[in-house]
Amino acid sequence: QSALTQPASVSGSPGQSITISCTGTSSDVGGYNYVSWYQQHPGKAPKLMIYDVSNRPSGVSNRFSGSKSGNTASLTISGLQAEDEADYYCSSYTSSSTPVFGGGTKLTVL
Amino acid sequence: EVQLVQSGAEVKKPGESLKISCKGSGYSFTSYWIGWVRQMPGKGLEWMGIIYPGDSDTRYSPSFQGQVTISADKSISTAYLQWSSLKASDTAMYYCARQLGVAVAGPDFDYWGQGTLVTVSS
Repeated sequence: QSALTQPASVSGSPGQSITISCTGTSSDVGGYNYVSWYQQHPGKAPKLMIYDVSNRPSGVSNRFSGSKSGNTASLTISGLQAEDEADYYCSSYTSSSTPVFGGGTKLTVL
Repeated sequence: EVQLVQSGAEVKKPGESLKISCKGSGYSFTSYWIGWVRQMPGKGLEWMGIIYPGDSDTRYSPSFQGQVTISADKSISTAYLQWSSLKASDTAMYYCARQLGVAVAGPDFDYWGQGTLVTVSS
Protein backbone atom coordinates (compact mmCIF):
# COMPACT_ATOMS: atom_id res chain seq x y z
CA GLN A 1 0.00 0.00 0.00
CA SER A 2 1.27 3.50 -0.87
CA ALA A 3 1.68 6.28 1.65
CA LEU A 4 -1.00 8.95 1.66
CA THR A 5 -0.03 12.20 -0.06
CA GLN A 6 0.57 15.31 2.04
CA PRO A 7 2.24 18.59 1.11
CA ALA A 8 5.85 18.63 2.25
CA SER A 9 5.45 21.97 3.98
CA VAL A 10 2.94 24.66 4.87
CA SER A 11 3.38 27.93 6.69
CA GLY A 12 1.31 30.62 8.32
CA SER A 13 1.54 33.60 10.60
CA PRO A 14 0.38 33.65 14.21
CA GLY A 15 -3.39 34.01 14.43
CA GLN A 16 -4.00 32.77 10.90
CA SER A 17 -5.62 29.49 9.88
CA ILE A 18 -3.92 26.80 7.81
CA THR A 19 -5.14 23.56 6.27
CA ILE A 20 -3.10 20.45 5.61
CA SER A 21 -4.45 18.00 3.05
CA CYS A 22 -4.09 14.23 2.97
CA THR A 23 -4.97 12.58 -0.32
CA GLY A 24 -5.56 8.89 -0.76
CA THR A 25 -7.87 6.67 -2.75
CA SER A 26 -11.22 4.97 -2.42
CA SER A 27 -9.33 2.07 -0.83
CA ASP A 28 -8.28 4.13 2.15
CA VAL A 29 -9.29 7.72 2.92
CA GLY A 30 -12.33 7.67 0.67
CA GLY A 31 -13.57 4.29 1.80
CA TYR A 32 -13.57 4.59 5.56
CA ASN A 33 -14.22 7.15 8.27
CA TYR A 34 -11.05 6.08 10.04
CA VAL A 35 -8.64 8.95 9.47
CA SER A 36 -6.36 10.24 12.21
CA TRP A 37 -3.95 13.16 12.48
CA TYR A 38 -0.78 13.34 14.57
CA GLN A 39 1.47 16.18 15.68
CA GLN A 40 5.16 15.46 16.23
CA HIS A 41 7.64 17.94 17.68
CA PRO A 42 11.36 17.29 17.07
CA GLY A 43 12.70 14.49 19.23
CA LYS A 44 9.27 13.68 20.65
CA ALA A 45 6.73 10.91 20.17
CA PRO A 46 3.73 11.68 17.97
CA LYS A 47 0.55 12.99 19.61
CA LEU A 48 -2.95 12.11 18.43
CA MET A 49 -4.83 15.29 17.46
CA ILE A 50 -7.82 13.98 15.49
CA TYR A 51 -9.37 10.52 15.11
CA ASP A 52 -12.29 9.13 13.12
CA VAL A 53 -11.95 12.06 10.66
CA SER A 54 -13.15 14.82 12.96
CA ASN A 55 -13.06 13.78 16.63
CA ARG A 56 -10.68 15.40 19.08
CA PRO A 57 -9.23 13.41 21.99
CA SER A 58 -9.70 14.89 25.42
CA GLY A 59 -7.22 17.68 26.04
CA VAL A 60 -6.64 18.64 22.40
CA SER A 61 -7.37 22.28 21.65
CA ASN A 62 -10.53 23.04 19.67
CA ARG A 63 -8.31 25.07 17.33
CA PHE A 64 -7.65 21.74 15.66
CA SER A 65 -10.37 20.31 13.42
CA GLY A 66 -10.60 17.56 10.84
CA SER A 67 -12.80 16.89 7.83
CA LYS A 68 -12.99 14.71 4.75
CA SER A 69 -14.30 15.08 1.22
CA GLY A 70 -14.03 12.16 -1.16
CA ASN A 71 -10.51 10.78 -1.10
CA THR A 72 -9.00 13.80 0.67
CA ALA A 73 -8.92 14.45 4.41
CA SER A 74 -7.93 17.79 5.87
CA LEU A 75 -6.58 19.12 9.14
CA THR A 76 -7.29 22.77 9.90
CA ILE A 77 -5.52 24.71 12.61
CA SER A 78 -7.11 28.03 13.47
CA GLY A 79 -5.57 30.84 15.51
CA LEU A 80 -2.07 29.59 14.70
CA GLN A 81 0.37 29.69 17.62
CA ALA A 82 4.13 29.33 17.79
CA GLU A 83 3.83 25.99 19.60
CA ASP A 84 1.89 24.55 16.65
CA GLU A 85 5.13 24.45 14.65
CA ALA A 86 5.75 20.73 14.18
CA ASP A 87 5.42 17.86 11.73
CA TYR A 88 1.92 16.59 11.06
CA TYR A 89 0.98 13.14 9.80
CA CYS A 90 -2.32 11.74 8.63
CA SER A 91 -3.19 8.06 8.82
CA SER A 92 -6.03 6.04 7.39
CA TYR A 93 -7.40 2.53 7.61
CA THR A 94 -7.12 0.72 4.28
CA SER A 95 -8.76 -2.10 2.35
CA SER A 96 -5.70 -4.20 3.22
CA SER A 97 -7.00 -4.17 6.81
CA THR A 98 -3.96 -2.26 8.02
CA PRO A 99 -3.43 1.50 8.34
CA VAL A 100 -1.08 3.64 6.31
CA PHE A 101 0.52 6.98 7.19
CA GLY A 102 0.97 10.03 5.04
CA GLY A 103 4.44 11.28 4.23
CA GLY A 104 4.18 14.13 6.73
CA THR A 105 3.92 17.92 6.52
CA LYS A 106 6.24 20.39 8.18
CA LEU A 107 4.31 23.35 9.57
CA THR A 108 6.28 26.56 9.98
CA VAL A 109 4.84 29.43 12.01
CA LEU A 110 6.30 32.59 10.54
CA GLU B 1 -2.32 7.50 34.34
CA VAL B 2 -1.80 5.51 31.15
CA GLN B 3 1.88 4.95 30.41
CA LEU B 4 3.87 2.98 27.87
CA VAL B 5 7.52 2.65 28.85
CA GLN B 6 9.94 1.27 26.28
CA SER B 7 13.30 -0.36 26.76
CA GLY B 8 16.48 1.61 26.20
CA ALA B 9 18.52 2.37 23.12
CA GLU B 10 20.35 -0.49 21.44
CA VAL B 11 23.49 -0.68 19.31
CA LYS B 12 23.83 -3.91 17.37
CA LYS B 13 25.82 -5.41 14.51
CA PRO B 14 24.29 -6.67 11.27
CA GLY B 15 23.09 -10.25 11.63
CA GLU B 16 22.47 -10.00 15.38
CA SER B 17 19.10 -10.59 16.97
CA LEU B 18 17.19 -8.11 19.10
CA LYS B 19 14.02 -7.91 21.17
CA ILE B 20 12.75 -4.55 22.45
CA SER B 21 9.94 -4.09 24.91
CA CYS B 22 7.01 -1.84 25.77
CA LYS B 23 5.46 -2.05 29.23
CA GLY B 24 1.94 -0.72 29.72
CA SER B 25 0.48 0.55 32.97
CA GLY B 26 -2.51 2.52 34.21
CA TYR B 27 -5.09 0.65 32.12
CA SER B 28 -6.30 -2.85 31.28
CA PHE B 29 -3.40 -4.07 29.13
CA THR B 30 -5.37 -6.98 27.72
CA SER B 31 -8.22 -4.81 26.43
CA TYR B 32 -6.43 -2.57 23.94
CA TRP B 33 -4.44 -3.25 20.78
CA ILE B 34 -0.75 -2.26 20.97
CA GLY B 35 1.01 -1.30 17.77
CA TRP B 36 4.57 -0.62 16.63
CA VAL B 37 5.62 2.28 14.42
CA ARG B 38 9.00 2.82 12.74
CA GLN B 39 10.60 6.17 12.06
CA MET B 40 13.84 6.07 10.14
CA PRO B 41 16.25 8.99 10.64
CA GLY B 42 14.75 12.17 9.21
CA LYS B 43 11.81 10.28 7.73
CA GLY B 44 8.11 9.76 8.34
CA LEU B 45 6.08 7.28 10.32
CA GLU B 46 5.50 3.70 9.18
CA TRP B 47 2.91 1.35 10.67
CA MET B 48 4.53 -2.01 11.30
CA GLY B 49 2.00 -4.18 13.05
CA ILE B 50 -0.28 -4.61 16.01
CA ILE B 51 -1.15 -7.14 18.70
CA TYR B 52 -4.13 -7.68 20.98
CA PRO B 53 -2.58 -8.86 24.25
CA GLY B 54 -5.84 -10.43 25.38
CA ASP B 55 -5.53 -13.27 22.89
CA SER B 56 -2.26 -12.46 21.04
CA ASP B 57 -4.09 -11.83 17.76
CA THR B 58 -1.41 -10.15 15.61
CA ARG B 59 -1.53 -8.29 12.30
CA TYR B 60 1.40 -7.06 10.21
CA SER B 61 1.87 -4.49 7.49
CA PRO B 62 2.77 -6.28 4.25
CA SER B 63 6.01 -4.27 4.31
CA PHE B 64 7.07 -5.82 7.61
CA GLN B 65 5.52 -9.29 7.44
CA GLY B 66 8.31 -11.83 7.86
CA GLN B 67 10.83 -9.15 8.81
CA VAL B 68 9.86 -8.74 12.47
CA THR B 69 7.87 -10.58 15.12
CA ILE B 70 5.43 -8.92 17.48
CA SER B 71 4.47 -10.66 20.71
CA ALA B 72 3.10 -9.90 24.16
CA ASP B 73 3.26 -11.29 27.67
CA LYS B 74 0.02 -10.25 29.35
CA SER B 75 1.21 -11.51 32.73
CA ILE B 76 3.68 -8.61 32.85
CA SER B 77 1.75 -6.17 30.62
CA THR B 78 4.55 -6.04 28.08
CA ALA B 79 4.62 -6.09 24.30
CA TYR B 80 7.69 -6.94 22.25
CA LEU B 81 9.17 -6.31 18.82
CA GLN B 82 11.94 -8.61 17.72
CA TRP B 83 14.32 -9.24 14.87
CA SER B 84 16.18 -12.47 14.17
CA SER B 85 18.82 -10.94 11.92
CA LEU B 86 19.25 -7.18 11.92
CA LYS B 87 20.27 -5.15 8.87
CA ALA B 88 21.76 -1.68 8.70
CA SER B 89 18.46 -0.53 7.19
CA ASP B 90 16.71 -1.42 10.48
CA THR B 91 18.38 1.62 12.06
CA ALA B 92 15.46 3.72 13.27
CA MET B 93 13.40 4.92 16.20
CA TYR B 94 10.70 2.43 17.11
CA TYR B 95 7.59 3.50 18.97
CA CYS B 96 4.93 1.40 20.61
CA ALA B 97 1.47 2.89 20.93
CA ARG B 98 -1.96 1.97 22.27
CA GLN B 99 -4.83 1.94 19.81
CA LEU B 100 -7.80 4.05 20.87
CA GLY B 101 -10.54 2.45 18.84
CA VAL B 102 -11.90 -1.07 18.86
CA ALA B 103 -11.62 -1.58 15.10
CA VAL B 104 -8.87 -4.05 14.33
CA ALA B 105 -5.70 -2.28 13.17
CA GLY B 106 -7.21 1.18 13.20
CA PRO B 107 -5.08 4.28 12.61
CA ASP B 108 -5.76 5.90 15.99
CA PHE B 109 -3.01 5.57 18.60
CA ASP B 110 -3.83 7.63 21.69
CA TYR B 111 -0.87 6.85 23.96
CA TRP B 112 2.72 6.42 22.80
CA GLY B 113 5.91 5.13 24.34
CA GLN B 114 8.98 7.34 24.43
CA GLY B 115 10.61 5.42 21.59
CA THR B 116 13.55 3.02 21.38
CA LEU B 117 16.44 3.98 19.13
CA VAL B 118 17.95 0.98 17.38
CA THR B 119 21.29 1.48 15.65
CA VAL B 120 22.66 -1.30 13.48
CA SER B 121 26.24 -0.78 12.37
CA SER B 122 29.31 -2.88 11.77
